[in-house]
Amino acid sequence: DGGITQSPKYLFRKEGQNVTLSCEQNLNHDAMYWYRQDPGQGLRLIYYSQIVNDFQKGDIAEGYSVSREKKESFPLTVTSAQKNPTAFYLCASRGNTEAFFGQGTRLTVV
Amino acid sequence: QKEVEQNSGPLSVPEGAIASLNCTYSDRGSQSFFWYRQYSGKSPELIMFIYSNGDKEDGRFTAQLNKASQYVSLLIRDSQPSDSATYLCAATLGMGGGNKLTFGTGTQLKVEL
Repeated sequence: DGGITQSPKYLFRKEGQNVTLSCEQNLNHDAMYWYRQDPGQGLRLIYYSQIVNDFQKGDIAEGYSVSREKKESFPLTVTSAQKNPTAFYLCASRGNTEAFFGQGTRLTVV
Repeated sequence: QKEVEQNSGPLSVPEGAIASLNCTYSDRGSQSFFWYRQYSGKSPELIMFIYSNGDKEDGRFTAQLNKASQYVSLLIRDSQPSDSATYLCAATLGMGGGNKLTFGTGTQLKVEL
């Protein structure tokens, strides 16, 4: 079954804790993206990667980190420096004429 | 100025009518564009990709791109209540797989019975 998979679907984080969100794709896409969506808001770009071992900051990168060690994988770490991490996180991968999203991870701080 | 702008709506149309959703972009280097549909609480679903000036049709959907005027639109013919959702427009600078993919804030569409 081809596509892009995010896990977990729901994640709860305690104050001061780092958490990592998983994003895996088997579409052979070079580019991958992480977005954050707050209730009633649009998608804001956190980080994106065009090739393995390379990534660029988006518009709201502070408090987040990423890695791209494999073409298929682009995990996002939400660090304790991110003061308001509660949001819906979306990962996307892009080919030449298509860009698909995973199902999203809903992160809540408890 | 936002890179990609959309009217937030809501846009209300009666069932069976044509819904017209518009998107403008500020960067003349933007070359390719995507339209997505997003239901509440769900991830965006790809509707259309367009990079050439003119119209591109896929079923009930038609995307229109005018690079000189820097706008891209989406027409939905024979609108159905199931089309009620938020529609997102996205732009990217290059044709290739890289480059920043920037979204507008979305237009909420309501199709009324």
